[in-house]
Amino acid sequence: EAQVTQNPRYLITVTGKKLTVTCSQNMNHEYMSWYRQDPGLGLRQIYYSMNVEVTDKGDVPEGYKVSRKEKRNFPLILESPSPNQTSLYFCASSLREGRDEQFFGPGTRLTVL
Amino acid sequence: DAKTTQPTSMDCAEGRAANLPCNHSTISGNEYVYWYRQIHSQGPQYIIHGLKNNETNEMASLIITEDRKSSTLILPHATLRDTAVYYCIVRGRWQGAGNMLTFGGGTRLMVKP
Repeated sequence: EAQVTQNPRYLITVTGKKLTVTCSQNMNHEYMSWYRQDPGLGLRQIYYSMNVEVTDKGDVPEGYKVSRKEKRNFPLILESPSPNQTSLYFCASSLREGRDEQFFGPGTRLTVL
Repeated sequence: DAKTTQPTSMDCAEGRAANLPCNHSTISGNEYVYWYRQIHSQGPQYIIHGLKNNETNEMASLIITEDRKSSTLILPHATLRDTAVYYCIVRGRWQGAGNMLTFGGGTRLMVKP
């Protein structure tokens, strides 16, 4: 089944404790991205990647890092999480930029205390 | 991206057609109309897109007015599982910025038995 998976689905952590949210897709998509969703603010793009070893900042990259060492994986790294990073995070992929359909993962609900 | 306007909420009886309108009066000639939906806190799901002709797939139909200033998403036989927030998005196909999707407020569709 074609899908985007994220882990963990739920995470409660404390300020400053480094964490990684994994994202993997099995569709051989070139393009992947991370969004965060907050009430009243909609979906905002954090980082995106056009292909392996090619990443760039989205609208709200501060406090986040990403890497794209393999085509299928695009982890989101929070080196020193803060409470304002409490949010619902989605990973998305599409065949390439400009392709019509983006596939979204199930989401990761992160709480930083 | 052109701004879109959608009703905040709508109700539909199960088994009936759900018609969700979207106004996009500032749409430019190379911008497409996309529809996504999000079932409570799940990842957004692509539904359909179009440029100027009406489109139909297994999920829905998209009717775009001749002047392209508005469109209607039609779910022909709504089920309880179609209860979701529906987002109308207008963007160029080759948008840059990592294929970012900008979700507005959307329409909360409630399908009732």
